[in-house]
Amino acid sequence: DSGVTQTPKHLITATGQRVTLRCSPRSGDLSVYWYQQSLDQGLQFLIQYYNGEERAKGNILERFSAQQFPDLHSELNLSSLELGDSALYFCASSVGQASYEQYFGPGTRLTVT
Amino acid sequence: DAKTTQPPSMDCAEGRAANLPCNHSTISGNEYVYWYRQIHSQGPQYIIHGLKNNETNEMASLIITEDRKSSTLILPHATLRDTAVYYCIVKNRDDKIIFGKGTRLHILP
Repeated sequence: DSGVTQTPKHLITATGQRVTLRCSPRSGDLSVYWYQQSLDQGLQFLIQYYNGEERAKGNILERFSAQQFPDLHSELNLSSLELGDSALYFCASSVGQASYEQYFGPGTRLTVT
Repeated sequence: DAKTTQPPSMDCAEGRAANLPCNHSTISGNEYVYWYRQIHSQGPQYIIHGLKNNETNEMASLIITEDRKSSTLILPHATLRDTAVYYCIVKNRDDKIIFGKGTRLHILP
């Protein structure tokens, strides 16, 4: 158990819909990272927040957005969902802005039908 | 793009040492070598990292060649629970992680 929690574990929704994925980092960690893992694209970095502020951006679509709240939990919002958004979404956390180790949560499996 | 090259798959007998190679010929002076693994559909797990010197922790050892162009992750006594995809990553501490395809390690009973 990494100490990072993600909810829900599974999500099934229809195309065009909007969903919110939630992540609680390890106690004491200030950075939260979001990753997407699909069969064809592999594991891809989406975005990082550090202490409430966006710190780094990866291959995140404009239809996706994220935020980190004062209690340091983070949410990833996915809108206008397409079939290709079906994937595992992982959250990770680390102590600092740039840390050697990231601790990953168990993931949310999103299925868009 | 990932800056590393790893074999797509490897087998290792249970109880033996698993040696996973990684080539990173374009590594720059301030880039570290990191290893993560992902057990089927679970979140990736940090294993170890190093800059120049060999490193060891409770999970594994990391051997980095003197020219830093390649490295080997060693799992000293592989068990069935070590079956996973192992990712070798090269990056600065500040950089985001770019995962490649990794090596799928099969531990054989």
